[in-house]
Amino acid sequence: GQNIDQPTEMTATEGAIVQINCTYQTSGFNGLFWYQQHAGEAPTFLSYNVLDGLEEKGRFSSFLSRSKGYSYLLLKELQMKDSASYLCAVVFFGSNYQLIWGAGTKLIIKP
Amino acid sequence: DAGVTQSPTHLIKTRGQQVTLRCSPKSGHDTVSWYQQALGQGPQFIFQYYEEEERQRGNFPDRFSGHQFPNYSSELNVNALLLGDSALYLCASSTTELARPEAFFGQGTRLTVV
Repeated sequence: GQNIDQPTEMTATEGAIVQINCTYQTSGFNGLFWYQQHAGEAPTFLSYNVLDGLEEKGRFSSFLSRSKGYSYLLLKELQMKDSASYLCAVVFFGSNYQLIWGAGTKLIIKP
Repeated sequence: DAGVTQSPTHLIKTRGQQVTLRCSPKSGHDTVSWYQQALGQGPQFIFQYYEEEERQRGNFPDRFSGHQFPNYSSELNVNALLLGDSALYLCASSTTELARPEAFFGQGTRLTVV
């Protein structure tokens, strides 16, 4: 199958660090995305990992380990505006462009 | 540079009716994908259009159909609406240029079936 699993909900404190995990049971994908989605809005692109390792972009970093079948999104110096759902997706290229999505992790930031 | 635009933003329909949703992709993008997102869930892939043809389809019934026009814009049609079709419908555009693989989403159409 091509299941992608994420925790349903997480809570963290403003100013802290949080790690959102994504595990998957699929192989052969070209890359892994993280998107942010505020309630009622469209997902917006955060990061893209192709190779194993850490990709850092400001307060957000994303990690991929193909051999271990997981990725994580690391958010530092949390701000109230980071309260949103975070979606993990794997992408397949070739003759088709296909995104397989996780259900998303709702992140709640408390003061 | 306009991003992905969808219309309408909100829609209320009665069970059994038909609906058409529209999407204009980001400039330079040639591929349009449609997703259904129920509350609290991740997007579920409906189908994808490229070069005016349905290239790939998810696990959705034939009541869901679509079209892509020469200018790459797209429509999603849903016939014989059911209450369970109530959801946020997202359009995403992308390009076959692998250097920019991320999909860009429109703001979505919130469909309510009563």
